[in-house]
Amino acid sequence: EDKVVQSPLSLVVHEGDTVTLNCSYEVTNFRSLLWYKQEKKAPTFLFMLTSSGIEKKSGRLSSILDKKELFSILNITATQTGDSAVYLCAVHTGNQFYFGTGTSLTVIP
Amino acid sequence: NAGVTQTPKFQVLKTGQSMTLQCAQDMNHEYMSWYRQDPGMGLRLIHYSVGAGITDQGEVPNGYNVSRSTTEDFPLRLLSAAPSQTSVYFCASSYSVRYNEQFFGPGTRLTVL
Repeated sequence: EDKVVQSPLSLVVHEGDTVTLNCSYEVTNFRSLLWYKQEKKAPTFLFMLTSSGIEKKSGRLSSILDKKELFSILNITATQTGDSAVYLCAVHTGNQFYFGTGTSLTVIP
Repeated sequence: NAGVTQTPKFQVLKTGQSMTLQCAQDMNHEYMSWYRQDPGMGLRLIHYSVGAGITDQGEVPNGYNVSRSTTEDFPLRLLSAAPSQTSVYFCASSYSVRYNEQFFGPGTRLTVL
């Protein structure tokens, strides 16, 4: 059975801290891994990763994939209150997408 | 472009009633899908379509039907609503099944009493 597991389930940090969110997966027919941000509404796309070891960056956010160990991490440096959200990891396999349960991040001023 | 639109935004049903959640996209996307999101469960795929006339089941298809008669529209039908179907429903689309970035609609919050 295909599955995606995210950790931690929730995280509370202070502004300026750096956080690392984890996503591990066990799927057949892996195509890509995607990260989304969800702020009490529809998820919005952050990154898509298909190759191991190649870091994707967007401002203070970065992500990397390890296809041998079957996991990905999402790093957020110098966190801001606007980073407070649920971060979702999804794996694209065949014609379907499997989502993890998400990590809820709260950034305190 | 309006992107992905969903109606209604909110709905309350009684057990046994049927209804259709509407989803439309104006981006000429081939791939469309329906998810439900429940607390602590993440997003779970209900049904998906790789093009007009083609649909298939996802992880949790029981109690739901879909059809895809046009590229733009992908309605989700609840045949006989049950309290277990209380959830937030999201429709999503992408250019094709090989193009991975999905665009999500705003969601429909459904309560079944």
